[in-house]
Amino acid sequence: EDKVVQSPLSLVVHEGDTVTLNCSYEVTNFRSLLWYKQEKKAPTFLFMLTSSGIEKKSGRLSSILDKKELFSILNITATQTGDSAVYLCAVGTQGGSEKLVFGKGTKLTVNP
Amino acid sequence: DTAVSQTPKYLVTQMGNDKSIKCEQNLGHDTMYWYKQDSKKFLKIMFSYNNKELIINETVPNRFSPKSPDKAHLNLHINSLELGDSAVYFCASSLRTSGSNEQFFGPGTRLTVL
Repeated sequence: EDKVVQSPLSLVVHEGDTVTLNCSYEVTNFRSLLWYKQEKKAPTFLFMLTSSGIEKKSGRLSSILDKKELFSILNITATQTGDSAVYLCAVGTQGGSEKLVFGKGTKLTVNP
Repeated sequence: DTAVSQTPKYLVTQMGNDKSIKCEQNLGHDTMYWYKQDSKKFLKIMFSYNNKELIINETVPNRFSPKSPDKAHLNLHINSLELGDSAVYFCASSLRTSGSNEQFFGPGTRLTVL
């Protein structure tokens, strides 16, 4: 069965700290790994990674994928209170039944 | 100009009732999905439709019946609601022919069954 495991499940830090969120997966027909940020409503897209070792960056957020070891990390530097959210990792499959398989998320709380 | 919209945003109902949630996307996507997010925030796929054709049905009870009148709409009808159906239901869409797994989510419908 397809599985995506995120760690830690929750994390509390102070503003200015750097955090690393982890995501490991076991999925058949892997195509890509995606990170989403969920505040109060809909998950919003952050990154999609398809190739190993190529870092994707957007401001203070960056992410990298290791397809050999089947994991990805999401880094957030100089955290701000606005980064508080649940971060969801999802693996996208390919083939006839394309879908996203989500992990349970990491709840990040950034305190002032 | 909302990309993926759902109605209603909130739904409170009694056990045993039948209810529907509607979803529309104006992104020109060809694939639409329904997800259920439980109280622990775990997001799990229920159904997907590609060009009005059912592609994925992830062991969801028969009480749940999706309907796609056209590729811009995917509605979810739930019969005989149970307490365990209480959750947030998200609709999403993607462009399958793009070869990308990126999905765009609607704002969610919070269903509470009393």
